[in-house]
Amino acid sequence: GAGVSQSPSNKVTEKGKDVELRCDPISGHTALYWYRQSLGQGLEFLIYFQGNSAPDKSGLPSDRFSAERTGGSVSTLTIQRTQQEDSAVYLCASSLEGAGKMFFGSGTQLSVL
Amino acid sequence: KQEVTQIPAALSVPEGENLVLNCSFTDSAIYNLQWFRQDPGKGLTSLLLIQSSQREQTSGRLNASLDKSSGRSTLYIAASQPGDSATYLCAVRIAGTASKLTFGTGTRLQVTL
Repeated sequence: GAGVSQSPSNKVTEKGKDVELRCDPISGHTALYWYRQSLGQGLEFLIYFQGNSAPDKSGLPSDRFSAERTGGSVSTLTIQRTQQEDSAVYLCASSLEGAGKMFFGSGTQLSVL
Repeated sequence: KQEVTQIPAALSVPEGENLVLNCSFTDSAIYNLQWFRQDPGKGLTSLLLIQSSQREQTSGRLNASLDKSSGRSTLYIAASQPGDSATYLCAVRIAGTASKLTFGTGTRLQVTL
């Protein structure tokens, strides 16, 4: 596609439910990143995928968070047993190579009630 | 730990003025630095990327400079327009860690008529 695509754009869920957020990177981009932006806060790194290498999961805040990237393309970020503090905008980005220019999607606004 | 600071946090200027946004970082061992803009409710749009070996990059009315030794970057916007109103974020990538893009908290710019 022309850009990084994220779905859904908005997600409202109840505390304790699981959610899945999807990211479609730009075709051919080998690197994919997930970030979180809480209200009034800066962007917080979550996880990074590069080609077939093991992902860098060092930013995941707890074991309720996990992500996978299938076939080196689409990625899914899963949050289990959501908590109110998980409410934020989840942003996905991709780049042609590991340290290249990053292109962001429009994000998923997650609200946990 | 890399820390990125942006000053000022908010700025309001009349249309037509030239302006400078500042970004400082604590660890000079960076691989590159990228400037983004973020419009309300939207994802980030990449503006300029400066490699650590470069001193500046230009795109249209935008010019970004990098002084790695002093841990500073500036984004110069010439002849500002109301459409430039957005939040501007700088992000640094630490050398040797392709995944670690550390963001500043941004400068919110408003260009008035």
